[in-house]
Amino acid sequence: EIVLTQSPGTLSLSPGERATLSCRASQSVSGSYLAWYQQKPGQSPRLLIYDTSSRATGIPDRFSGSGSGTDFTLTISRLEPEDFAVYYCQQYGSSPRTFGQGTEVEIK
Amino acid sequence: EVQLLESGGGLVQPGGSLRLSCAASAFTFSNYPMAWVRQAPGKGLEWVSAISHTGGSPYYADSVKGRFTISRDNSKNTLYLQMNSLRAEDTAVYYCAKEYGSGSYRWFDPWGQGTLVTVSS
Repeated sequence: EIVLTQSPGTLSLSPGERATLSCRASQSVSGSYLAWYQQKPGQSPRLLIYDTSSRATGIPDRFSGSGSGTDFTLTISRLEPEDFAVYYCQQYGSSPRTFGQGTEVEIK
Repeated sequence: EVQLLESGGGLVQPGGSLRLSCAASAFTFSNYPMAWVRQAPGKGLEWVSAISHTGGSPYYADSVKGRFTISRDNSKNTLYLQMNSLRAEDTAVYYCAKEYGSGSYRWFDPWGQGTLVTVSS
């Protein structure tokens, strides 16, 4: 099974700043089949990015994804107040599909 | 707007059983594979089980294999998860999710609001 390790565990930033979240896989993710989800307290996860870099419907363009192989990145270009949340990466290139442990983006 | 509404969660003793349901609306349920994903309190996400759009080819995480059974009724637009021999470590919010993607490479979108299962004596 592919283990995904996200870093940092917590990112403390101010609105307007750039956030860079990392997701590293224990082995190469087939086809760059990697997604990112956002989860706010008390809510279910919401899809942000699929296929490493494609934004889901309705997701603002301040969210972008990149990477390949074992290293992937989610970038939020300028943090808005509603972006403070926990972010999870997930690979779906091999079975079982696995998630990272999450990165919390908190207000500094 | 696609909606997924889970129900059936609750408090159950270790060794007990529960059946979760997920009612789907606003999309052609019978065209899409579906999945269950869980989240233990304060923890991350864990894929549990998935099923093809026809109800065939169910598959499971090793942690629940032999204890949980996924099924669906396309005539009722409903997904199920029968959970037997429950353990304390099965305590979690259980989300149903619609799968989307190409071939066997699928992500989860959208997710339901979740139903809490608590296994405790």
